[in-house]
Amino acid sequence: GNSVTQMEGPVTLSEEAFLTINCTYTATGYPSLFWYVQYPGEGLQLLLKATKADDKGSNKGFEATYRKETTSFHLEKGSVQVSDSAVYFCALSDLDYQLIWGAGTKLIIKP
Amino acid sequence: NAGVTQTPKFQVLKTGQSMTLQCAQDMNHNSMYWYRQDPGMGLRLIYYSASEGTTDKGEVPNGYNVSRLNKREFSLRLESAAPSQTSVYFCASSVAGVGTGELFFGEGSRLTVL
Repeated sequence: GNSVTQMEGPVTLSEEAFLTINCTYTATGYPSLFWYVQYPGEGLQLLLKATKADDKGSNKGFEATYRKETTSFHLEKGSVQVSDSAVYFCALSDLDYQLIWGAGTKLIIKP
Repeated sequence: NAGVTQTPKFQVLKTGQSMTLQCAQDMNHNSMYWYRQDPGMGLRLIYYSASEGTTDKGEVPNGYNVSRLNKREFSLRLESAAPSQTSVYFCASSVAGVGTGELFFGEGSRLTVL
């Protein structure tokens, strides 16, 4: 079946460092891919998405490119801030009403 | 901007007790969902409602029931709580399906079953 694999955390970086959080997937067909972010004590919110191969999603300085050849959707940011500390979830659309979620990667940014 | 509102935020139950988690959205969305979040496991779909009047099972429906009361409200009921149901529960909504659209989440309800 379809699945999403994320790098285990926590990932700890200093402010202004470059961020990569790896996400790979297994899927039949052509799913849409998503990154959601969960700040402490809050629900998840959509960070960015890509709906077809080679699409690049971007938001708040974060980017991810839908790579069908490597079945990946890695999240990147050039210069992280303390306020980016959160848990990041990669997900793919399976059926019309179901998302397949990765386990989440906790990101800690130190000043 | 209320968005998706869940109640209660925290609840402690004893094994065998029942309770209902309430969820309401004010965005006129057609679809609503209940997820549970457990450490290291991401989110798992319990039930969803594609539109008012319909409900369907997700990945982990056993031990739960749902009611789509109207377009705004979608409740989750635990009839006889078990320790395995200790989790954080999230309600979410979307305009339609999840294929390309965005899910909007509530702040979560932390349930502990002793």
